[in-house]
Amino acid sequence: DAGVIQSPRHEVTEMGQEVTLRCKPISGHNSLFWYRQTMMRGLELLIYFNNNVPIDDSGMPEDRFSAKMPNASFSTLKIQPSEPRDSAVYFCASSRSPTAYNTEAFFGQGTRLTVV
Amino acid sequence: EDKVVQSPLSLVVHEGDTVTLNCSYEVTNFRSLLWYKQEKKAPTFLFMLTSSGIEKKSGRLSSILDKKELSSILNITATQTGDSAIYLCAVYGGSQGNLIFGKGTKLSVKP
Repeated sequence: DAGVIQSPRHEVTEMGQEVTLRCKPISGHNSLFWYRQTMMRGLELLIYFNNNVPIDDSGMPEDRFSAKMPNASFSTLKIQPSEPRDSAVYFCASSRSPTAYNTEAFFGQGTRLTVV
Repeated sequence: EDKVVQSPLSLVVHEGDTVTLNCSYEVTNFRSLLWYKQEKKAPTFLFMLTSSGIEKKSGRLSSILDKKELSSILNITATQTGDSAIYLCAVYGGSQGNLIFGKGTKLSVKP
């Protein structure tokens, strides 16, 4: 299995532009998580999907952020418009069972976003 | 609000030292606690703990959960420079069944 695949690996964009981050979870995994990591705040959960349905999006910072999971093999995180304070590494992770309690989450390699 | 707190935030030791990293949690509907190691890129899984008092061990690393104290420790014996990393503690739980991370402990092992 190729693991969790994220794209792009690096993104540099100008303030105000739309940014779309992509994630392909491991096949057969039912839970998908989007995290943002910064030095100041560590690894923050943004949104969590179970069986393609958003379960908890309370971590999404504001309306500029949106996430979708149109099917079991693909998810996107969109920022529109982007701001410099959105600069961070964004990780996608997936795990096996709907409850996800008894299996670890596997992480993608992350997307390093820089907004200038 | 559910939270996971790790201490210390950073730690510098010399090769051969033994270190203990701490994780405490206040999470409703606790299900399990996980430890991850993060070097330059993605976090990689170390341990999952669900039962109190049962030690999980892998080489020089070991971990144990104390549900009464709502905490866990990660021990690394005979540290090596390759152990330098951020160690992350996470808990499955909360009202939505989330995976909630602490801020991590940055361990630096000097030769």
